[in-house]
Amino acid sequence: SQTIHQWPATLVQPVGSPLSLECTVEGTSNPNLYWYRQAAGRGLQLLFYSVGIGQISSEVPQNLSASRPQDRQFILSSKKLLLSDSGFYLCAWKQGGNTGELFFGEGSRLTVL
Amino acid sequence: QQPVQSPQAVILREGEDAVINCSSSKALYSVHWYRQKHGEAPVFLMILLKGGEQKGHEKISASFNEKKQQSSLYLTASQLSYSGTYFCGTVSISSGNTPLVFGKGTRLSVIA
Repeated sequence: SQTIHQWPATLVQPVGSPLSLECTVEGTSNPNLYWYRQAAGRGLQLLFYSVGIGQISSEVPQNLSASRPQDRQFILSSKKLLLSDSGFYLCAWKQGGNTGELFFGEGSRLTVL
Repeated sequence: QQPVQSPQAVILREGEDAVINCSSSKALYSVHWYRQKHGEAPVFLMILLKGGEQKGHEKISASFNEKKQQSSLYLTASQLSYSGTYFCGTVSISSGNTPLVFGKGTRLSVIA
């Protein structure tokens, strides 16, 4: 069966520090991968998605970046965090195409102080 | 473009019914519904494809009117466990592998 894991689950970082959130999927190959962010009490904002290794599409220009070094690994990074980067970050995957369920990871709660 | 959900929030007593609406300005291929409990990841409820279908899962069902580019989620005889934030996500007809774009969510609170 397919599983998705992301870590760390919780982190508190000072403004200006770097960030790295990791997400891995198991039990499937060539998945579409996504990073969403949810600010407190807000909706799900799509940040990045990838349909293959090294292929990254950015939906919202900001100080975040994403990389897909391996088929089932998706990384969200920042060189310098801002206060506005605080939120609940969710990695998700699904098979290609317009149908099919989106499977979410457990989420990473980031607080920037 | 982000779909629009209404209402933003609703409070129900156990046993009451509710309808959550989702509309888009784009021609849609599919509509997805998810429920999120506080502090947890969203959980899949159902997908509706163009063709005007209607789906149901126990006391939660949904319809998709592709001509109006609208979907509605129906919660019947609500239970305390139905509380959470409901999101619709849409995929437009334009291309394959299009990422799911979510609405801002509808917060549902069911009280005893």
